[in-house]
Amino acid sequence: DIQMTQTPSTLSASVGDRVTITCRASQSISNWLAWYQQKPGKAPKLLIYMASSLESGVPSRFSGSGSGTEFTLTISSLQPDDFATYYCQQYNTYSGTFGQGTKVEIK
Amino acid sequence: QVQLVQSGAEVRKPGSSVKVSCKASGGTFSSYPISWVRQAPGQGLEWMGGIIPFFGTANYAEKFQGRVTITADESTSTVYMELSSLRSEDTAVYYCAREKGVGVAGSDHWGQGTLVTVSS
Repeated sequence: DIQMTQTPSTLSASVGDRVTITCRASQSISNWLAWYQQKPGKAPKLLIYMASSLESGVPSRFSGSGSGTEFTLTISSLQPDDFATYYCQQYNTYSGTFGQGTKVEIK
Repeated sequence: QVQLVQSGAEVRKPGSSVKVSCKASGGTFSSYPISWVRQAPGQGLEWMGGIIPFFGTANYAEKFQGRVTITADESTSTVYMELSSLRSEDTAVYYCAREKGVGVAGSDHWGQGTLVTVSS
């Protein structure tokens, strides 16, 4: 299975900060990557699909970039509702490994 | 609108099996891949496997090969996940998730989660 390395594991930031989370794949996955937000006790919510496409209804402060093995999720101006845990997931043929997650905390 | 409704919480003894269901409503059932993802208490998300109901063939993560079986019943728009030889480390919330489509990376619809507790 393809391995996904997500960094950092924890991030402390303030409202209004620009935040970047990185995912690295153990082999090329083209643009077969999604980003999710999860809050405690809730199912994950899709933010970005196919590495850079914004899911309908998701605020435009969220953006995704990258291809091959390096990917980033950027929140341009962190809002109070954005404090949560974020996961990347690769969608290579026949598998769907997640990154370890990044918890975004209030600084 | 698409909804995925999962079966209720389960308690099992070590060594036994559990079967969790995920019933889809709204939209087309057969042509969308559905995955199973689990989350142990305080831990991250873990992909277990998935199926495209139309084709009926499932794919599994290496970690779960031989222990998990994912099936689909098109007549009831339901996908099942059965996990055998349960151990305490299998205690987790199990989610089903429907992908945006074949060839599209991202699951936009999720079930509510099913807590499976493995305890003697």
